[in-house]
Amino acid sequence: GAGVSQSPSNKVTEKGKDVELRCDPISGHTALYWYRQSLGQGLEFLIYFQGNSAPDKSGLPSDRFSAERTGGSVSTLTIQRTQQEDSAVYLCASSPLGGDTDTQYFGPGTRLTVL
Amino acid sequence: QKEVEQNSGPLSVPEGAIASLNCTYSDRVSQSFFWYRQYSGKSPELIMSIYSNGDKEDGRFTAQLNKASQYVSLLIRDSQPSDSATYLCAVMDSSYKLIFGSGTRLLVRP
Repeated sequence: GAGVSQSPSNKVTEKGKDVELRCDPISGHTALYWYRQSLGQGLEFLIYFQGNSAPDKSGLPSDRFSAERTGGSVSTLTIQRTQQEDSAVYLCASSPLGGDTDTQYFGPGTRLTVL
Repeated sequence: QKEVEQNSGPLSVPEGAIASLNCTYSDRVSQSFFWYRQYSGKSPELIMSIYSNGDKEDGRFTAQLNKASQYVSLLIRDSQPSDSATYLCAVMDSSYKLIFGSGTRLLVRP
């Protein structure tokens, strides 16, 4: 079946602009996660959705970052007034239930470059 | 701060050898552990998950977990050049998010 998909695959924007990144999880997966990976850095957790609610937003770096999930499916990560330090690969993952033995399956990522 | 530590490498092994990748974690209550493989420019791909102390084997891969020592390892037998990648150790915390190590780069020499 289809895996996690993300769009766009690449996004180049100017400092100060807003960007929206989209994630389509695997059909039927209730849990959805956003991570980011900066050049030479490890993966950093941003936010976790269980259905449409976000029980853990602890990784969002600032109030310029927000995310929503609608219909228990598609999620959008929005970054307002982008800064150069926001440049990274943004990865979305989904898992069937969000439990402690669930495997998280990653999408291909969106590479964001802020000029 | 929950931490997952890995040697960044690179770990260089000849083709056919056993590659041993190690990981330590700080959160004693962690119960779920994962190894992901990441090729350059690609997203992480799950290799193994392990939840109980001891060894878990899947083909050429063996994951080992020692919760008392807070240590997880991944052994790759009969290493192939196609195994050359960065291997990420991940520990699931109590809120179901993964805490990743910075990864170990593995190079398998033909």
